[in-house]
Amino acid sequence: DTEVTQTPKHLVMGMTNKKSLKCEQHMGHRAMYWYKQKAKKPPELMFVYSYEKLSINESVPSRFSPECPNSSLLNLHLHALQPEDSALYLCASSQESEGEETQYFGPGTRLLVL
Amino acid sequence: QKEVEQDPGPLSVPEGAIVSLNCTYSNSAFQYFMWYRQYSRKGPELLMYTYSSGNKEDGRFTAQVDKSSKYISLFIRDSQPSDSATYLCAIGTDKLIFGTGTRLQVFP
Repeated sequence: DTEVTQTPKHLVMGMTNKKSLKCEQHMGHRAMYWYKQKAKKPPELMFVYSYEKLSINESVPSRFSPECPNSSLLNLHLHALQPEDSALYLCASSQESEGEETQYFGPGTRLLVL
Repeated sequence: QKEVEQDPGPLSVPEGAIVSLNCTYSNSAFQYFMWYRQYSRKGPELLMYTYSSGNKEDGRFTAQVDKSSKYISLFIRDSQPSDSATYLCAIGTDKLIFGTGTRLQVFP
């Protein structure tokens, strides 16, 4: 099973709403990632969790709050977002093995902030 | 200079053509070299990965890495309309840096 799942597939929210994006993998991977991807642009790294601890925060605004409840789950809590935060949010996971760092992506959550 | 450079295309080829997609990078410390395919409105799908110079083949796809020139390529043989997508190179060490992606269109 090389699948990373994400829910919901689509999300529309207002600027005052609080919502959460969820990501799940059962590959035993110990690193999980959140990326943001705008249209026709490559993914931009937001957060990295390694062994359930936040290891990289790419200066992401505090209205995005990641959470890693266990080794299989990764959440991204959203609060007071701006319209420019509308994008595809991708989750990925990887398991370092003999120096290789192969990331597998989920299908993404397409977020629209009104 | 960007850490990873990729020609955005678009690249339009007839069915059956050999396609060559390329990326250059600036940091000789980069260890991982990957190619992802992304269909419209979908997440990136891992195609090939390698961490050494040379060629790696998988079906119609060949990934080539030249560390001395800091240059990587993805070749697609016998291209099909279903190969039409954006192809992203991703290079890095503890984190990946993506190229801008090359949009490929294969027409029948």
